[in-house]
Amino acid sequence: GAVVSQHPSWVICKSGTSVKIECRSLDFQATTMFWYRQFPKQSLMLMATSNEGSKATYEQGVEKDKFLINHASLTLSTLTVTSAHPEDSSFYICSAGGNPLAGSPLHFGNGTRLTVT
Amino acid sequence: GESVGLHLPTLSVQEGDNSIINCAYSNSASDYFIWYKQESGKGPQFIIDIRSNMDKRQGQRVTVLLNKTVKHLSLQIAATQPGDSAVYFCAENINNQGGKLIFGQGTELSVKP
Repeated sequence: GAVVSQHPSWVICKSGTSVKIECRSLDFQATTMFWYRQFPKQSLMLMATSNEGSKATYEQGVEKDKFLINHASLTLSTLTVTSAHPEDSSFYICSAGGNPLAGSPLHFGNGTRLTVT
Repeated sequence: GESVGLHLPTLSVQEGDNSIINCAYSNSASDYFIWYKQESGKGPQFIIDIRSNMDKRQGQRVTVLLNKTVKHLSLQIAATQPGDSAVYFCAENINNQGGKLIFGQGTELSVKP
């Protein structure tokens, strides 16, 4: 079945550096992908909607210059955490898929654990 | 509203018992609901969904109940097994916004053998 793949699964970086996380739809095309952040023992919080060929839509309180999203193809969205700080350490998860109400299910990646030292 | 800064409630059950996990949602315009299971270090895994024009839906060992009057959703797991131990989240889709989901607080289910 359809699968969403995230890379890397974990990354450790130094404070002040930037980190790129990839989200790929492996056997389907996704014009829209979603990025979530999850802190330990907490729920998933929607960060932004990634739109193929256009600008991402960010949720309130999410800094677009801090979390750069690029969706240059129908199978790949990237999230770049710029000038990362320890408070950016989190579990980042993407989802892709069609409209669940239309019978096209959503698929989630297995997440990327970011640790900023 | 969105779930922010809350720590997970926990539910501990004996293997073989039934589990009931509850979720309160906030937006009356939500038209589609999904239950997800998340194991440690992994992404959410689809369990069962329900549309707002239904009040009950059954799957294999799982049942979802929807009460729109009080904006409440529940997940019932029959004959709970150790492999069911995980965190369970409800998620709502508002106004048919495609794959955009708002997740609930989550409940950590622990199954004792």
